[in-house]
Order: sequence, then structure tokens, then C-alpha cells
Amino acid sequence: DARVTQTPRDKVTEMGQEVTMRCQPILGHNTVFWYRQTMMQGLELLAYFRNRAPLDDSGMPKDRFSAEMPDATLATLKIQPSEPRDSAVYFCASGLGDSEAFFGQGTRLTVV
Amino acid sequence: AQSVAQPEDQVNVAEGNPLTVKCTYSVSGNPYLFWYVQYPNRGLQFLLKYITGDNLVKGSYGFEAEFNKSQTSFHLKKPSALVSDSALYFCAVKGYGQNFVFGPGTRLSVLP
Repeated sequence: DARVTQTPRDKVTEMGQEVTMRCQPILGHNTVFWYRQTMMQGLELLAYFRNRAPLDDSGMPKDRFSAEMPDATLATLKIQPSEPRDSAVYFCASGLGDSEAFFGQGTRLTVV
Repeated sequence: AQSVAQPEDQVNVAEGNPLTVKCTYSVSGNPYLFWYVQYPNRGLQFLLKYITGDNLVKGSYGFEAEFNKSQTSFHLKKPSALVSDSALYFCAVKGYGQNFVFGPGTRLSVLP
């Protein structure tokens, strides 16, 4: 049963620390998305990759966030330094072309 | 620019009654439209999509949605609601080659 895998599922860290979230897209998918979900803002797009190339990261705070795809089986989202306002659930999703995207279970980040 | 509106924050319906969750959208060109459901502490699950063809699309768990181009709407429907349908529902739109834009979500409560 193909699925998007995200690690870790939960992360608690202190303000100022680096946080790395990882995502394994479904094999064969060529689009990868990172979303952040909060009660106040809902689902916000942070980054969008197609064929490992970043197409849209306009929603990502550039000074502290970075997203990469080192290879087709791994996408990473890093926050350095982390701040309490970064506390949210971060979702990775993958898809094929313009078809539906499949979401991972998310990483719940708490920055204290 | 793409946008999605879900005019109702909350929809309450009695078990066994039909349900409708509303969605309107704005996109340049032909829209690709999607519905997702989210259960507590879970990722978003794909329900159904409209890409082209028949305006009435059927999806998982007995859900269906009707694409109305003139009203730019894509309302989610189910003939007979179940208590287990209670969840958060998201409508999403994407243009060709673009990322997904999600609505704010509608919380559906099915009362026994």
C-alpha cells in the first residue's frame, strides 16, 4: 500500500534549535508539496517541487526555512533557527502531474 | 490567482439525511477540483476529483460532487450521512501546472 511517509511524527524543540522534517514521497510521483496547518491560518503552501525542481516557495519564510529534494525519494524541510510561532503541523504530499496529491500523516512541531 | 471559498465553517446534519458541503473557486483556465477529508490527528485523505468530463463525479465512501462552471462551484454531497462522516472537509483547486490551493475547511458534524 503506497503512502507518503513523514518523520518524525512529533517534535518538541527549544527556540533557536534547528529542526529537520523528512518526507518520502510515493515511488514514481513527480510532484512534492510542503504545507503547514494551523488553526488560525489553515493550510498554507510552503514549497512545491516538480521533478525535484522547486517551482513555488513564495509561502516560505526565506530567512529561516529551506526545502530541498536531495533525490527523488527524499524531501526535507528545515527551520533554523526555530521560533515558537513555527509551532504547527507540517504536511508533505506527493502526486503525479496535475492529478490528486496524497498526504502524509504530518509532523507536529512544538517550539518552546 | 487561484482561490477557494467554503462559505460554511460548520455544517450539522442528522444521520440518514442528505448532506451538502459548499465550495466555490476562482482559477485561470480550466480548473482541476478536489475534495479531501481530514480526521483528527491525521493527514488529508483524497475523496474525489474533477478534471474533465461528466459534471457529476463520484468518489470514496459514497460521496459525490457536482461541477458547475457557470456558478464556479463544486459542492460535495452524500445522499445519506453517517456519524462516521463527521470530520473536516477541504475543497481544493489547481490550475494546469500550478500548486493546490485549499479552502479554509468545513467541519461536518453528523448527529445520531
